Amino acid sequence: GAGVSQSPSNKVTEKGKDVELRCDPISGHTALYWYRQSLGQGLEFLIYFQGNSAPDKSGLPSDRFSAERTGGSVSTLTIQRTQQEDSAVYLCASSLSFQSYEQYFGPGTRLTVT
Amino acid sequence: AQSVTQLDSHVSVSEGTPVLLRCNYSSSYSPSLFWYVQHPNKGLQLLLKYTSAATLVKGINGFEAEFKKSETSFHLTKPSAHMSDAAEYFCVVSEGTGRRALTFGSGTRLQVQP
Repeated sequence: GAGVSQSPSNKVTEKGKDVELRCDPISGHTALYWYRQSLGQGLEFLIYFQGNSAPDKSGLPSDRFSAERTGGSVSTLTIQRTQQEDSAVYLCASSLSFQSYEQYFGPGTRLTVT
Repeated sequence: AQSVTQLDSHVSVSEGTPVLLRCNYSSSYSPSLFWYVQHPNKGLQLLLKYTSAATLVKGINGFEAEFKKSETSFHLTKPSAHMSDAAEYFCVVSEGTGRRALTFGSGTRLQVQP
């Protein structure tokens, strides 16, 4: 079946511009996670959605980062006023529910801020 | 708080020889532990998981890992390396409560020599 999909696969933007990254989780998965993979920081958790509950934003590095999940499915991660240190691969993962241990990862979006 | 330490950033083996990737964890609760693999330009793939059942866990592609609570270790092994095993491997911990966000180790790059 279809896995987690992310778009775009690559994004180059100028410093100071806003970007939106999209994640389509596996159908029926109620839990959705965003992670960031960068050279300096490794893989780090950003934000978590479970059903209609308030998201866990504890991993977001600054208030320039926000995310939403519409209709319990597709999620968008928005970075405002991008900085060069935002350059990284942004990974989305989904799981059947928050009680499920197994997370399925998308291919990621490579963001480059020039 | 939970954390994971991968003891080697880079491991090189010859094809057909055993593989050992070392991982130590720290967790306040009963942890769930995972190994993920990331091939170049590919998404993260779950190799195996430990969730408080059998301490010796078998995964895909001939990999296995043993959970040793007394040593707080979860080393990944394979009896015989194959060229296709060359990739980045991540040891990951998730605490047994809450949102199940994953905490990743810094990764071990496995090189397989012909």
